[in-house]
Amino acid sequence: QSALTQPASMSGSPGQSITISCTGTSSDIGGHDYVSWYQQHPGKAPKLLIYEVSNRPSGVSARFSGSKSGNTASLTISGLQAEDDADYYCISYTSGSTYMVFGGGTKLTVL
Amino acid sequence: VQLQESGPGLVKPSQTLSLTCSVSGDSVDSGLNYWSWIRQPAGKGLEWIGRIYTSGVTNYNPSLRSRVTISMDTSKNQFSLKLNSVTAADTAVYYCARDGPGYFFLYWGPGTLVSVSS
Repeated sequence: QSALTQPASMSGSPGQSITISCTGTSSDIGGHDYVSWYQQHPGKAPKLLIYEVSNRPSGVSARFSGSKSGNTASLTISGLQAEDDADYYCISYTSGSTYMVFGGGTKLTVL
Repeated sequence: VQLQESGPGLVKPSQTLSLTCSVSGDSVDSGLNYWSWIRQPAGKGLEWIGRIYTSGVTNYNPSLRSRVTISMDTSKNQFSLKLNSVTAADTAVYYCARDGPGYFFLYWGPGTLVSVSS
């Protein structure tokens, strides 16, 4: 199983907001501000949405935002759109031996 | 910045999987970033394999360390992955990615499917 825990699936209607959680430990999410989030459409490479907990790369919609509380990071997508239907992954730096730990991914369905 | 994976799409069990990542728009020996390999079995999540820095420093996923070698060819602006003694469990899409600056992957290759089968 993955080191970071994400819900396997979530769904929402267009226009709604949705928050995807990513739970780790004090060695990764809780101990560092190096959480990143990625969006992946079928057959495509992951795309960086958020880095260092809450920063958006240039070109990423402001509808995507990130936050962290304790050992849990969150990705919020506001104003859901059809193109947000995708898989979402969280990744965190860890002071453990694996350097980076990954979430198992959340399949978001836009109804 | 663009990355492109290349290599055989089919490898026999017990043999060595070899992939190369060609980088354009950045230099693998700039000293500013690490360069990583990540894989994804069909229908499953992502798994970090390992990374390399300009000085040849490498870090590997402990679960794969005994079978993995990542190297760099600065003259070709490429870095490579070798995974030996492969089994069907190594069948996956393999991605190369720029690791940094910071602990995130901004640039990714499109991925290449490697199947392990006799």
